[in-house]
Parts: sequence; C-alpha cells; structure tokens
Amino acid sequence: DTAVSQTPKYLVTQMGNDKSIKCEQNLGHDTMYWYKQDSKKFLKIMFSYNNKELIINETVPNRFSPKSPDKAHLNLHINSLELGDSAVYFCASSQVVGAYNEQFFGPGTRLTVL
Amino acid sequence: AQKVTQAQTEISVVEKEDVTLDCVYETRDTTYYLFWYKQPPSGELVFLIRRNSFDEQNEISGRYSWNFQKSTSSFNFTITASQVVDSAVYFCAPPGNQGGKLIFGQGTELSVKP
Repeated sequence: DTAVSQTPKYLVTQMGNDKSIKCEQNLGHDTMYWYKQDSKKFLKIMFSYNNKELIINETVPNRFSPKSPDKAHLNLHINSLELGDSAVYFCASSQVVGAYNEQFFGPGTRLTVL
Repeated sequence: AQKVTQAQTEISVVEKEDVTLDCVYETRDTTYYLFWYKQPPSGELVFLIRRNSFDEQNEISGRYSWNFQKSTSSFNFTITASQVVDSAVYFCAPPGNQGGKLIFGQGTELSVKP
C-alpha cells in the first residue's frame, strides 16, 4: 500500500491557469508538508500543517493556497500559474511535529508551465 | 543561523569502490538530529537514516555506514562496495527551528559506473 500518494504525477498547463495537486497519507500521521524542488534539485519547504492547522508558511506567494480537509489530506491549489512555478512538488508527512521525526515523501508531481 | 553544506556536488566512482559523502551542519544548538535521503533517477525521495548529535558512534546498515564528528559538525555517509543501483542524489537534511520542516543540503549526485 502506498504510504504517501500524490495526484497527478505530471501536470502540464499554460501560464495563467489554475491547478490543484492532491496528497493523501495512510500512515496515520498528524503532520503534512509541501516542498518544492527546482531544476537544480534544491528542495525547500513551502507549507506545514499539523492536525489540519497551518503552522508554517515559508513566504510563499499567496497564489499558492494549501487546504487540509482532514489529517490525511493536504492539497495544494495554485492560481494564475507562472513560468517560475515549474518544478517538482513533493508532499510529505511525519508522525508529529518535531525535530526528531523522519518525514516520508510522496512520489512528487512534476509541474510544467508553458 | 543554521547552515547545511554538502560541498561535493558530483561524485563518480566505479562499481565496488567505497565512497564517502560529506555533510557539514553549522548550528548553535547543542543537540540536534540530521536525516539522510536518497533520490534515485526515478525521482522519489527515500528516507535512509536519522542520526543525532549526542551519538558519535558509527551506525552501520548493510553496505551503508554513518559517522558523526561533533568537533567538525560533520555527518558523513559511506557506501561500501558501491553498486550501480546506488546512483542517486543524496541529501542531508537537519530540521529547521520551527514546525518540523527539513532544511535540505544542496545534494551530492553519486554516479556509480559498471
């Protein structure tokens, strides 16, 4: 069974469109995250949610809006897509919030904005 | 401020060679954790190990071993008798100071040639 899943795996769209990426974890974890990996493989945190509550928003443009309907899901909606949004987006989860908890990652969603 | 450095951008070895990947983590914290992740060419992020700063003993798991030297803030990762399947980008990632986020190093791309 997949622990952290994301859909879609690939997303190709035009500038200015709005798109969503879905993430689900079946590990029973309390905390979920979104990371962005750029073309140089640099990974950076975007958001962190604990028990459906936002706890980190790492100065991400407000065109990005995460939503957590329940502990097992964290979706990412992006408005007015720009070329610079092209990247791989990873969802992750950890048991609880804390510096000692390993995070488990989804397979990633490769977003290409044309 | 925290700073994580993986100075080796790319390493290329021939199968069966041993290879060591370096990670230096500068922080004012006296105790901390650090995680290693592997990203193979297929793109997923795979959790390898969690190490903590109060344990300087080597940890060994099969062909993998990890060594922490507090005096130099170095967390090193050694693969013994490397195999082609070890080819991947390896990231070290300490936790940030809030919300459980991980701060990823730049990554080291390991290429193991047959």
